[in-house]
Amino acid sequence: PVLTQSSSASASLGSSVKLTCALSSGHSGYIIAWHQHQPGKAPRYLMKVERSGDYDRGSGISDRFSGSSSGADRYLTISNLQSADEGDYYCETWDSDTHKVIFGGGTKLTVL
Amino acid sequence: EVQMVESGGGVVRPGGSLRLSCAASGFIFRDYGMSWVRQGPGKGLEWVSGVNWNGDGTGYADSVKGRFTVSRDNTKNSLYLQMNSLRPEDTALYLCARVPYGNYLGAFDLWGQGTMVTVSS
Repeated sequence: PVLTQSSSASASLGSSVKLTCALSSGHSGYIIAWHQHQPGKAPRYLMKVERSGDYDRGSGISDRFSGSSSGADRYLTISNLQSADEGDYYCETWDSDTHKVIFGGGTKLTVL
Repeated sequence: EVQMVESGGGVVRPGGSLRLSCAASGFIFRDYGMSWVRQGPGKGLEWVSGVNWNGDGTGYADSVKGRFTVSRDNTKNSLYLQMNSLRPEDTALYLCARVPYGNYLGAFDLWGQGTMVTVSS
């Protein structure tokens, strides 16, 4: 599979933003994971999102972060945006046929 | 504290070799699949290699296959990446990441901060 993300997104402090990770054709059933990466810090696992839209947040992740799904698209919604949410957001999936892990290109989020 | 700390990065000439280590603590290392992921300057995350809990299953990105070798020592709670025939395009921050079951194919639930590798003449 190929994962496609918008290169950038922006939203105002206190508002909500929805980031998209699009799975390539023929791979709409894949589970994906969302990760946050801020400069100088270790990436942080946020959640897994399934085709059904069910999501499972990582330990200690705020409920301001939620996941959803529609067809081949997987979403990460961040509500009540804080300046601390600025950073790069990556989606990840894995392929048991090719034995490889795949990342999307990442979305740079700016909080205005 | 649950953490992973990478080491072994540095500056190396094209064609040279380097061995990276990732020391895990605070969790039962042998219960987890492990991977190396890198981020080149100004680029996104790129999976490099992974290894199953007991070392008998490994995987590599096409860009490093035949040049890099991943291994682990569960008695030392450590993950390794032997990098040979290094190229300038291998310049990146190298991070280790774990998957919460024995296979390296899965969602990474913990990351290290990384060690920098620079390949330059």
